[in-house]
Amino acid sequence: DAMVIQNPRYQVTQFGKPVTLSCSQTLNHNVMYWYQQKSSQAPKLLFHYYDKDFNNEADTPDNFQSRRPNTSFCFLDIRSPGLGDAAMYLCATSRDWRGRSSYEQYFGPGTRLTVT
Amino acid sequence: EDQVTQSPEALRLQEGESSSLNCSYTVSGLRGLFWYRQDPGKGPEFLFTLYSAGEEKEKERLKATLTKKESFLHITAPKPEDSATYLCAVCRGYGGATNKLIFGTGTLLAVQP
Repeated sequence: DAMVIQNPRYQVTQFGKPVTLSCSQTLNHNVMYWYQQKSSQAPKLLFHYYDKDFNNEADTPDNFQSRRPNTSFCFLDIRSPGLGDAAMYLCATSRDWRGRSSYEQYFGPGTRLTVT
Repeated sequence: EDQVTQSPEALRLQEGESSSLNCSYTVSGLRGLFWYRQDPGKGPEFLFTLYSAGEEKEKERLKATLTKKESFLHITAPKPEDSATYLCAVCRGYGGATNKLIFGTGTLLAVQP
């Protein structure tokens, strides 16, 4: 089945130690998104890629970076994690808007990040 | 400012007791409204997209409706397996060919046997 895969599902890192989260998709969607979701809160968009074009949200801290080496893969890098970065990180994909095709976002299972 | 408000924050139902969840929104350039289900520790699972006022979608015990200011998710004769957080999100253009979802904080539904 076509899907969005995130690895690892659980990640523990130390305060200030860089960490990379991975997302891959078999849906062949050209848009990929990264969200941060803290307990009992709405998912918060960090940034997205439209093909290779990177779009950062204005309030996303510089500590968060992303890479998309090809259509299928996207990475979230947290350069110096702080305690406040502990959260669930969600990857999502969608088709683009052109042609009024369906543009629902499909989410992966998430990576739960713990910072010690 | 774009805003999505869901109510109630939490809802406890007995099995078979029908009810509705509300999502009210203000957004410029609405491209659609989405409902997702989220189980604890998992990513949101897509349920419905509604594009225009008056539209309705159904799936098993769930029915979603849309007006110009709000959407309802009606749950008919719920079962314990319907227990989850239900998220509403509005979609607006982001510039160019991509779109942006603005989420509400969800309604936590618990259905007791």
